[in-house]
Amino acid sequence: DAGVTQSPTHLIKTRGQQVTLRCSPKSGHDTVSWYQQALGQGPQFIFQYYEEEERQRGNFPDRFSGHQFPNYSSELNVNALLLGDSALYLCASSWAARTDTQYFGPGTRLTVL
Amino acid sequence: AQSVTQLGSHVSVSEGALVLLRCNYSSSVPPYLFWYVQYPNQGLQLLLKYTTGATLVKGINGFEAEFKKSETSFHLTKPSAHMSDAAEYFCAVSAPHASGGSYIPTFGRGTSLIVHP
Repeated sequence: DAGVTQSPTHLIKTRGQQVTLRCSPKSGHDTVSWYQQALGQGPQFIFQYYEEEERQRGNFPDRFSGHQFPNYSSELNVNALLLGDSALYLCASSWAARTDTQYFGPGTRLTVL
Repeated sequence: AQSVTQLGSHVSVSEGALVLLRCNYSSSVPPYLFWYVQYPNQGLQLLLKYTTGATLVKGINGFEAEFKKSETSFHLTKPSAHMSDAAEYFCAVSAPHASGGSYIPTFGRGTSLIVHP
């Protein structure tokens, strides 16, 4: 049973560019949440997707957007990249009825130069 | 609103010694509390969680934590540290979101556990 998978593992972009990160949830999970973890900090909630809709959103600008597909996989898009967007981006999946128990993927390390 | 304070960004112990990582929380509703571990270049792994009921919670790898409502604390302990316990540990608090009912955790800044031989 595969856990949460994310791609790519690492990514280097320059300021102003756009990036797309991908996440496949744990088998059977229907809810995907995205987090940003800056160096030396705890993860911060970006948004959560369920039934292909954004269900909750944290305090992030609308440069951060997402999508969920019918197979429950998800994408995180960030436009107009800033140096401060450099971070580890974590995806977590859960059942909609049990969002208190989230399983995290290994993350995508984004470096913005 | 909810928040988490982890006391000490770094904790250093000798192999075989007691591990104590401190976490205090703030929540306007009865909280769910979590401890996660993160090894270098990896995601977060759930160690243990408190939801309701017994206040002493046992987790994986010999860790346990006690929910103390009067002290708003949820400290993580392990009787004897192993070299393999060296990692970053995050405490998190969660409660049903007002509008959607979904649990969104708020994480502390993390404590790096260093284990000396």
